[in-house]
Amino acid sequence: DAGVIQSPRHEVTEMGQEVTLRCKPISGHDYLFWYRQTMMRGLELLIYFNNNVPIDDSGMPEDRFSAKMPNASFSTLKIQPSEPRDSAVYFCASSFSNGYTFGSGTRLTVV
Amino acid sequence: AQSVAQPEDQVNVAEGNPLTVKCTYSVSGNPYLFWYVQYPNRGLQFLLKYITGDNLVKGSYGFEAEFNKSQTSFHLKKPSALVSDSALYFCAVRDKSNTGKLIFGQGTTLQVKP
Repeated sequence: DAGVIQSPRHEVTEMGQEVTLRCKPISGHDYLFWYRQTMMRGLELLIYFNNNVPIDDSGMPEDRFSAKMPNASFSTLKIQPSEPRDSAVYFCASSFSNGYTFGSGTRLTVV
Repeated sequence: AQSVAQPEDQVNVAEGNPLTVKCTYSVSGNPYLFWYVQYPNRGLQFLLKYITGDNLVKGSYGFEAEFNKSQTSFHLKKPSALVSDSALYFCAVRDKSNTGKLIFGQGTTLQVKP
């Protein structure tokens, strides 16, 4: 199993641009989570899905953030427009039963 | 509300010495508890979990954790630390609503010096 796959690994973009982060969960996992990690705030849960359905998006910071899961093998997190304060490492994780498997993350820098 | 606390931002230990990374939790009912490790520029990796049964749980890389219900603690331990154990460690508890969501502590940086 290749694990949870995130792309891109690094993204540098200019303020105001749209950014799309991608995640492929482990096959058979029924939960998918998007986290953001910064030095100031630590690990923040943004949104999570169960069987492709969004369950809780209360962690999404603003309307500029949106997430979709069109099928069991793919999810996206979109930021439009991006701002410098969105700079962080974004992690995707998938889960079945107990425990998560994390992807390697996308390091986003907005300049 | 359910929560976990990691009271130490950083733990320093000499190589070869035993290490402890502390975690306390606040949940109603029986907790499902987890430890994860994050190496630089990597995602979080699962170390071990407590669901039920023996209070001493053994995990990856020689780590173990002891569940103490009376003290509501789940401290991570290792008898002999390695320099390569230096990383960021997270304690987590599963949300009681059974949604699969994990609630993470703020993390503890472990620094093992040669």
